[in-house]
Amino acid sequence: DPKIIQKPKYLVAVTGSEKILICEQYLGHNAMYWYRQSAKKPLEFMFSYSYQKLMDNQTASSRFQPQSSKKNHLDLQITALKPDDSATYFCASSQERLGEYEQYFGPGTRLTVL
Amino acid sequence: AQSVTQPDARVTVSEGASLQLRCKYSYSGTPYLFWYVQYPRQGLQLLLKYYSGDPVVQGVNGFEAEFIKSNSSFHLRKASVHWSDSAVYFCAVSAGSNYQLIWGSGTKLIIKP
Repeated sequence: DPKIIQKPKYLVAVTGSEKILICEQYLGHNAMYWYRQSAKKPLEFMFSYSYQKLMDNQTASSRFQPQSSKKNHLDLQITALKPDDSATYFCASSQERLGEYEQYFGPGTRLTVL
Repeated sequence: AQSVTQPDARVTVSEGASLQLRCKYSYSGTPYLFWYVQYPRQGLQLLLKYYSGDPVVQGVNGFEAEFIKSNSSFHLRKASVHWSDSAVYFCAVSAGSNYQLIWGSGTKLIIKP
């Protein structure tokens, strides 16, 4: 059974619209992350959350807003979509505990903005 | 600033041959090092990790990596590659728990029959 679920797998949106990317993890982890992978850039860190609180934000634009309604959920809302937002968005999680530093990744949501 | 360099964008190896994928990092503190693999149209899977101790760490599917502090390197090795190893391999460094992963640009491994 998949331990980190991302929905949808593929998403097509028009410029200017708004979309929400869903992430749920069933690993019992207390830290969650979003990363972006595009053709133009290597993997980029976007956000990290710990116990549902924002820990780090490396996203320059306020159009990207993470939302954590439950401790095992970290959704990503993207507003005013632009073609440059086209990328695969990966959710990850980890257990915040001394001696455990690895992150586990979901399958990704591939977003195409037309 | 922290950074990871994978100098080879693409590596081609014959099936059954040995493999080394290079990774160098720049980090001032204690680095936590990782190799991840990404198969086509899939997510990232952890291959192996290094935190401390024995500088040679074993991973899944016969992969291993060696941490050489003096050289700031964490190269990935495999004694005999299989066609199923074809994928993109990413090296990453972290400052620790709950910190972001800093990624290399990836190396695409192509296996020749």
